[in-house]
Amino acid sequence: EAGVTQSPTHLIKTRGQQVTLRCSPISGHTSVYWYQQALGLGLQFLLWYDEGEERNRGNFPPRFSGRQFPNYSSELNVNALELEDSALYLCASSSGGLAGGGDTQYFGPGTRLTVL
Amino acid sequence: AQSVTQLGSHVSVSEGALVLLRCNYSSSVPPYLFWYVQYPNQGLQLLLKYTSAATLVKGINGFEAEFKKSETSFHLTKPSAHMSDAAEYFCAVSANFGNEKLTFGTGTRLTIIP
Repeated sequence: EAGVTQSPTHLIKTRGQQVTLRCSPISGHTSVYWYQQALGLGLQFLLWYDEGEERNRGNFPPRFSGRQFPNYSSELNVNALELEDSALYLCASSSGGLAGGGDTQYFGPGTRLTVL
Repeated sequence: AQSVTQLGSHVSVSEGALVLLRCNYSSSVPPYLFWYVQYPNQGLQLLLKYTSAATLVKGINGFEAEFKKSETSFHLTKPSAHMSDAAEYFCAVSANFGNEKLTFGTGTRLTIIP
């Protein structure tokens, strides 16, 4: 069974540009999570989507946004890139739903974004 | 709100020695607790998780962790370290209602000395 996949693997952008990162969850998973792993800041929760809806959002400015498609894949968009957006962006998926809790989140390999 | 504290950003052990990585949590509700491992330039791989079924949790690659409510701890151990265990380890917590976000500790980099 295929795991969580992310594309692209690496990206180099300049300040002010916009970027779109993509994530395909494990087959059958309906929840997708995005995390940012920046040097010195650790792993920070960005966004959670389930059944096409945004369910929770971390402490990030509105220029970080995303969506989830009917096939449960997801995009993360970052507008007006700043130098501090340089990070590894990790996507995770779980079997989802709004009850039960404790579902394991399975992570993809990440997209390394460098902003110059 | 939940939080996790990992004591020791770097831990070095000799090959064959006991591995002990410390994690303390804070949670206003009974928590779910996780340990993940990250190898260089890779994503996170689940080692084990605690979901209240048993306080001693066994994971992959010989790792285990014990949930101690009185100490609010969830330390990760492995009896005998192997060179392939060198990686960064993250403890994480989530609330036990809904599929909430994971809140991660700052990570512990484990080095194995030959």
